[in-house]
Amino acid sequence: QVQLVQSGAEVKKPGSSVKVSCKASGGTFSSYAISWVRQAPGQGLEWMGRIIPILGIANYAQKFQGRVTITADKSTSTAYMELSSLRSEDTAVYYCARERDGYNPFDYWGQGTLVTVSS
Amino acid sequence: DIQMTQSPSSLSASVGDRVTITCRASQSISSYLNWYQQKPGKAPKLLIYAASSLQSGVPSRFSGSGSGTDFTLTISSLQPEDFATYYCQQSYSTEMYTFGQGTKLEIK
Repeated sequence: QVQLVQSGAEVKKPGSSVKVSCKASGGTFSSYAISWVRQAPGQGLEWMGRIIPILGIANYAQKFQGRVTITADKSTSTAYMELSSLRSEDTAVYYCARERDGYNPFDYWGQGTLVTVSS
Repeated sequence: DIQMTQSPSSLSASVGDRVTITCRASQSISSYLNWYQQKPGKAPKLLIYAASSLQSGVPSRFSGSGSGTDFTLTISSLQPEDFATYYCQQSYSTEMYTFGQGTKLEIK
């Protein structure tokens, strides 16, 4: 059974950075892309970017280009999402999700990590 | 970017009702359309992938249809546990996935 376990909640100051981890177990980590999706309070889902661990290639939503970095460590089956220059609008729950092959649905999700940006 | 437009944004229905939610893409996405259910405080859950394929473990009262730009999610007979928010998502463009704005399904 695939599980994605994310790191705990964070409180950050405006202008700082946050790095959220997503550790996979129960599957072949490197073979599947991992996406990051965020959800601001009371809002919908917003895709941020993805990485294919076996290739180490990431791509990002234009909105986050230059502020987000997604990486993966194959040795620990862990993906990371780092967001810099934080502002209050970045307060959200951040999810990682595994993409299944074929039509790329997100079939497994992490439990979510609340990032609060506040002075 | 491919825009996804869901309708309605909210919906009131009763247990036993048949409910349909629609999703329209701004350009053709073939069958690269997925549906998710999200309950408060929980991660989204995959219901339907490839427009019409039922995810393992999902009750058969959920079904999806469509291709190209127009898609629907149908719940044939609403159960109490189905009251949640539903999102469509296009996975056609791996450079930029996008979600619909969501449909909140409430008890009438």
